[in-house]
Amino acid sequence: GQQVMQIPQYQHVQEGEDFTTYCNSSTTLSNIQWYKQRPGGHPVFLIQLVKSGEVKKQKRLTFQFGEAKKNSSLHITATQTTDVGTYFCAGVRMDSSYKLIFGSGTRLLVRP
Amino acid sequence: SAVISQKPSRDICQRGTSLTIQCQVDSQVTMMFWYRQQPGQSLTLIATANQGSEATYESGFVIDKFPISRPNLTFSTLTVSNMSPEDSSIYLCSGGVGLTDTQYFGPGTRLTVL
Repeated sequence: GQQVMQIPQYQHVQEGEDFTTYCNSSTTLSNIQWYKQRPGGHPVFLIQLVKSGEVKKQKRLTFQFGEAKKNSSLHITATQTTDVGTYFCAGVRMDSSYKLIFGSGTRLLVRP
Repeated sequence: SAVISQKPSRDICQRGTSLTIQCQVDSQVTMMFWYRQQPGQSLTLIATANQGSEATYESGFVIDKFPISRPNLTFSTLTVSNMSPEDSSIYLCSGGVGLTDTQYFGPGTRLTVL
């Protein structure tokens, strides 16, 4: 079945350093969404990318969708302790099921 | 956006019993889904809750074990039947306003089966 993988699994950075997580799907996606889950919390929607090659920015966060619509990345510039959490990508399948297939997640820890 | 509430927020149950989790959305959503999340793991889709008809289950999940209801556009229930310790997990419901829209998640129900 369709799989969505993320790397790295964990990332431990010093506050102020940059962070990037990569998301790869085994099949072409209709669109991709990114979610953040704080420890003990539930996933919270960050952004959705729909177009091939799309790039979106939210303050220090930059999201990219690959040209083939099979991969994506999230880059955080100058991390802060408030960025701590697990970042999930979630791909929407090309068929009519409208289901989100969640990636394995990248857990970000930030040292103050 | 949509605000989703779930209850109970957590429960500790005995092996062999059943628990029904309720999910309430503050506005009408087209799609509702149920997920399971083991500690430190990603979200696994259990099923799509269809209004007025049987839920659509993912591979590895069956109606007898996880019966789901969705009587209207704002409410759904998931029952975890004949529980075993392996069912200990966080169960989350989500709803989306459009067919390919973002998903809004409930706070989750933390289930522990002894």
